[in-house]
Amino acid sequence: GEDVEQSLFLSVREGDSSVINCTYTDSSSTYLYWYKQEPGAGLQLLTYIFSNMDMKQDQRLTVLLNKKDKHLSLRIADTQTGDSAIYFCAESPNDYKLSFGAGTTVTVRA
Amino acid sequence: EAGVAQSPRYKIIEKRQSVAFWCNPISGHATLYWYQQILGQGPKLLIQFQNNGVVDDSQLPKDRFSAERLKGVDSTLKIQPAKLEDSAVYLCASSLFQGGDSPLHFGNGTRLTVT
Repeated sequence: GEDVEQSLFLSVREGDSSVINCTYTDSSSTYLYWYKQEPGAGLQLLTYIFSNMDMKQDQRLTVLLNKKDKHLSLRIADTQTGDSAIYFCAESPNDYKLSFGAGTTVTVRA
Repeated sequence: EAGVAQSPRYKIIEKRQSVAFWCNPISGHATLYWYQQILGQGPKLLIQFQNNGVVDDSQLPKDRFSAERLKGVDSTLKIQPAKLEDSAVYLCASSLFQGGDSPLHFGNGTRLTVT
């Protein structure tokens, strides 16, 4: 099974906030990442957080990390139609290679 | 900065045929990765190069997949012979160096369909 788990789908109304959740398994991950994939494209790095932080904010994006529970979340404020995509959470065990979740498909409805 | 370039974008072959994919990483990036992304799943690492040496190929099906990175720049990934289950998007990525604070930059991928 996947070492990184995410819910598969999220539907959100335009202008609302989106929250995508992820659980990971390896506590040795120095960094945790969020990537975005639009149809027909590769993965685009959105943001990443150092494991000794519990929050990182970058414009409309807020990442929350609960290291004790191995839980990571991505909040997108004022969600727009251009935010419709698949969002991948990834861990980096021993700061080595990325291990991705299966992705959360976010659909933004008008 | 030019991104990671991959070709072809799409490829359709019959099972038992051979296929090759090409990747040109971002200039100056020492680390290059090939990932396989099956529909509905996250990317899975096939092979990682540091310059022209292999760092990790533990998930590469070596009986049919091969990859090389000559001169530490461009890379090719080959499948010979292809199976139906190889249908996937093959993503190339590069990073400045190996390490968590050197994020991966992905190309747009090659979508392979094996019939």
